[in-house]
Amino acid sequence: GAVVSQHPSRVICKSGTSVKIECRSLDFQATTMFWYRQFPKQSLMLMATSNEGSKATYEQGVEKDKFLINHASLTLSTLTVTSAHPEDSSFYICSASPGTGKQPQHFGDGTRLSIL
Amino acid sequence: GQQVMQIPQYQHVQEGEDFTTYCNSSTTLSNIQWYKQRPGGHPVFLIQLVKSGEVKKQKRLTFQFGEAKKNSSLHITATQTTDVGTYFCAGPGAGGTSYGKLTFGQGTILTVHP
Repeated sequence: GAVVSQHPSRVICKSGTSVKIECRSLDFQATTMFWYRQFPKQSLMLMATSNEGSKATYEQGVEKDKFLINHASLTLSTLTVTSAHPEDSSFYICSASPGTGKQPQHFGDGTRLSIL
Repeated sequence: GQQVMQIPQYQHVQEGEDFTTYCNSSTTLSNIQWYKQRPGGHPVFLIQLVKSGEVKKQKRLTFQFGEAKKNSSLHITATQTTDVGTYFCAGPGAGGTSYGKLTFGQGTILTVHP
């Protein structure tokens, strides 16, 4: 089945640090990937749609300069949390789907980000 | 914008009891999907419902899609400890494809006591 790999699984760093999270589709190509954010015991909130070869589409209220997304290849999207602060601490998770969007989303294992 | 409401937020059951979570959308949905997220894990796709009034079963799990395609339910018969986790419904996000951009319900956290 389709596999999505996300790295790193956990990051603990100081305030002001920029953190890059990678999302890879291991056995399929994905022109579109999605980035979500999840606070403890809460739902997944879509942050942005990552589009291969073009700019990401951000949801309302998500700062594009704060959360930089790059989708340079058909198997890799990266999310960079720039100058992270404690309020950015959260569980970040990506998803992707093979084909033309007719198949369900497969989620990465997520990245737990803790900013001290 | 589209909202997907899910209740209850929490459900504690004894092993062997049944469990149901309900999902309601503010708009008609082209389809609805259900995901399960184990504690500390990531969401895993369970099923998609497309047709009005559709009912699908997966062993002890029964999924229903309402006639108006605005509500859905997931029912688990005779829960087991392996059923523990958060169950999310999700509808297509605004401007998204059928399986792409998703709007998730708040989720129901299921605890099963042995």
